[in-house]
Amino acid sequence: NAGVTQTPKFRILKIGQSMTLQCTQDMNHNYMYWYRQDPGMGLKLIYYSVGAGITDKGEVPNGYNVSRSTTEDFPLRLELAAPSQTSVYFCASSYGRPAGAGEGFGPGTRLTVT
Amino acid sequence: GQQVMQIPQYQHVQEGEDFTTYCNSSTTLSNIQWYKQRPGGHPVFLIQLVKSGEVKKQKRLTFQFGEAKKNSSLHITATQTTDVGTYFCARVNNDMRFGAGTRLTVKP
Repeated sequence: NAGVTQTPKFRILKIGQSMTLQCTQDMNHNYMYWYRQDPGMGLKLIYYSVGAGITDKGEVPNGYNVSRSTTEDFPLRLELAAPSQTSVYFCASSYGRPAGAGEGFGPGTRLTVT
Repeated sequence: GQQVMQIPQYQHVQEGEDFTTYCNSSTTLSNIQWYKQRPGGHPVFLIQLVKSGEVKKQKRLTFQFGEAKKNSSLHITATQTTDVGTYFCARVNNDMRFGAGTRLTVKP
């Protein structure tokens, strides 16, 4: 199993540009999450999904959109990039509640918006 | 949403000293998870606590869940330089919310 994979690893965007951060897991996990982590700070939940076709807002959803058309994929869309979205983005997945084994995190995408 | 508060924000210790980080909630938690994040890395799951008063150990790490299930702690005995990183607690429902983390530095 590759676990949770994220692409790209790094990206520089200009203000107003759009992009999609990809997240894929091959563990047949129901739950998937997107977090952002600003330098020296904790993880803030952007969106999460409890299964294919179901998504919910987290703590900081503004400026982002998600979809969950398959169990494996949970892409995060930035429509109009702003400097405030400069951050490291982590995707995570888990089987269910309680997970027991915990959430598996992807390696992250470092995004800079200038 | 329900948040967890984590203290201290930073802790600097001499190698060999002990370290403890605390996680508190104003409401009863169904469970709590602990993660470690090394500088430049991603969070790595350490453990999950579910039962009231639960205590779990992993080598030099001891995890506790309070009797009221409103607080939790992670204690490291005799820290080593490999323990450096940020330790996060997270409360888990359908979503998962993290505490702000405690950044541990260890002086050799």
